[in-house]
This record gives sequence, structure tokens and C-alpha cells, in this order.
Amino acid sequence: GIQVEQSPPDLILQEGANSTLRCNFSDSVNNLQWFHQNPWGQLINLFYIPSGTKQNGRLSATTVATERYSLLYISSSQTTDSGVYFCAVERNNNDMRFGAGTRLTVKP
Amino acid sequence: KAGVTQTPRYLIKTRGQQVTLSCSPISGHRSVSWYQQTPGQGLQFLFEYFSETQRNKGNFPGRFSGRQFSNSRSEMNVSTLELGDSALYLCASSLEPLAALHFGNGTRLTVT
Repeated sequence: GIQVEQSPPDLILQEGANSTLRCNFSDSVNNLQWFHQNPWGQLINLFYIPSGTKQNGRLSATTVATERYSLLYISSSQTTDSGVYFCAVERNNNDMRFGAGTRLTVKP
Repeated sequence: KAGVTQTPRYLIKTRGQQVTLSCSPISGHRSVSWYQQTPGQGLQFLFEYFSETQRNKGNFPGRFSGRQFSNSRSEMNVSTLELGDSALYLCASSLEPLAALHFGNGTRLTVT
């Protein structure tokens, strides 16, 4: 099955810093989504982005489908950005595969 | 619009028992999928339902089953519980397959 690798596994930032999270996948996909899991366990959908670039406030994402990677950018990070960020992909109407996540800690 | 509702939030069961978890999707969403989250295995896909039909099933034993009703509400059942079934079970709904997923708060199952 398709493999999903996220990097880095852990990231510690000072409030106000910018960061880039990466998601590599082993095969072509027709569905890619980014999620944020807050410290209480709630998973929030950030982007549905099988290709191209999207922006939502301080967050933006880019997926380069031909090169099999996606990037999530967080600018001017805040303590509320802390949590785990997951990338998930789906290929050919098969199951949704999640990466292991990037654990982000933003310090005040 | 109400979000995805999962009940119960917490559950403690004994090995060998069975359990049923419930998920009410966002109004208008016809696709419901289930996931198991554990510290060791991460987030793993269990199954997906669309219009009362199972579309996909993950690599889990037959003790894990689910169904979807005509109002799109879904249930999952785990029979003959094992200690390793202790996990956070998450339900997600979407307008249709391959669309953006919206997750509920999950049911935390502890098997003793």
C-alpha cells in the first residue's frame, strides 16, 4: 500500500516563528488532506489539497502531486497552534492513509 | 450546523465483551468513515460507508464491523474485545467519498 512519511517528527518553536511541515507519499494520489489534532484530541481539517496551493489565514499548503509531496506552512506561530499535524492521502478510492504526524510545540 | 457527534465519549469494557459505538454525521453528509488511533499504530482506517454501502474496509479482523443507516448515521461494533482494542475511535463524515473529512471528538475505549 501507499506509504506516507511526515517530517520532522517533532518541532519546537518560539511564538512568532514560521515553520514548514512536509509530507511525502510513495505513489500518486487523488486525495490529500492536512489535519491538526489539538491537545484534547480533536482533529480539525485544515486543507483538502490533492494538488496546487491554498491559503487560510496564517496557514498555507502546497501539494506537488507529480513529485509526491505536500508542504504545510505555518506563519507567525501561536501557542494555540501546538498539537499534532497529520497528512492523509487516498489513492484510487482505497483507504485513507495517515502519516505518523509532526508534533508541534509553540512556546510563549 | 452541528458537527459530527460520537457517543459515548468514554467506555470501559472487559475482555470478551462486545461494544457498539455511534456516529451522527454533519447534516447532508452521506459518507462516514471510522478510524482507530493508538500510540503505537497511529491513525488507522477501519471502514467507510456511503449511501448505506461499505465502500472500503481496512486491515482489521472480522470482529470489527459497521453499518450505515438510511439517515447516514453509522455504528461500529467490536465483538470479543481484546486488550489491544483499547484506543480512541474516531468517526469522520464528508459530503461524498474523497471529499474533505470532518471528525467527531471520538470515543475512548478502554478494555480491561
